[in-house]
Amino acid sequence: KAGVTQTPRYLIKTRGQQVTLSCSPISGHRSVSWYQQTPGQGLQFLFEYFSETQRNKGNFPGRFSGRQFSNSRSEMNVSTLELGDSALYLCASSVTGEDEQYFGPGTRLTVT
Amino acid sequence: DAKTTQPPSMDCAEGRAANLPCNHSTISGNEYVYWYRQIHSQGPQYIIHGLKNNETNEMASLIITEDRKSSTLILPHATLRDTAVYYCIVRVGGYSTLTFGKGTMLLVSP
Repeated sequence: KAGVTQTPRYLIKTRGQQVTLSCSPISGHRSVSWYQQTPGQGLQFLFEYFSETQRNKGNFPGRFSGRQFSNSRSEMNVSTLELGDSALYLCASSVTGEDEQYFGPGTRLTVT
Repeated sequence: DAKTTQPPSMDCAEGRAANLPCNHSTISGNEYVYWYRQIHSQGPQYIIHGLKNNETNEMASLIITEDRKSSTLILPHATLRDTAVYYCIVRVGGYSTLTFGKGTMLLVSP
């Protein structure tokens, strides 16, 4: 069974721009969660989607948003990029969201 | 979620068992213990989880004390590829968020 895939793997953007990251979950998984990892703050939960609905949200500003499609694929968007948004963005999928989560390789975003 | 305490780093010789401790003294009855690991610059990898009984799978064993206030992840025969940051996470059953701490950096040496 194919694992979680994330595209693109690497991205360089300029401050003030916006960016969209994509995540394809494992087949049959309906929950997708997004995390941000930085050297200073570690791994932090952004939000979780299940059946196209945001079910949980972490403590991030409204510039961070996401959505999920009917095939369970998910996208996250960051608007008005700041230097501090430079991070590894990880998505994880699970069958229900309450079982073990399987992570993708991440998208490395650099904001200059 | 209850907080966990892990040593920041540990060393292990290749071929020996690696025993990674985790303290979760404020764990509640409906909270599970999960272990993940993250090899440098990769996404975290699920290892194992348990509620109160000891668990074993092809990757590792999880030993939870009877009072559930601490646990140990055991990698029976560590290899160089097991070098990673290991995260112990306490998670409420039925709740989707994983709250990661700083974890333990395990270095396996030849």
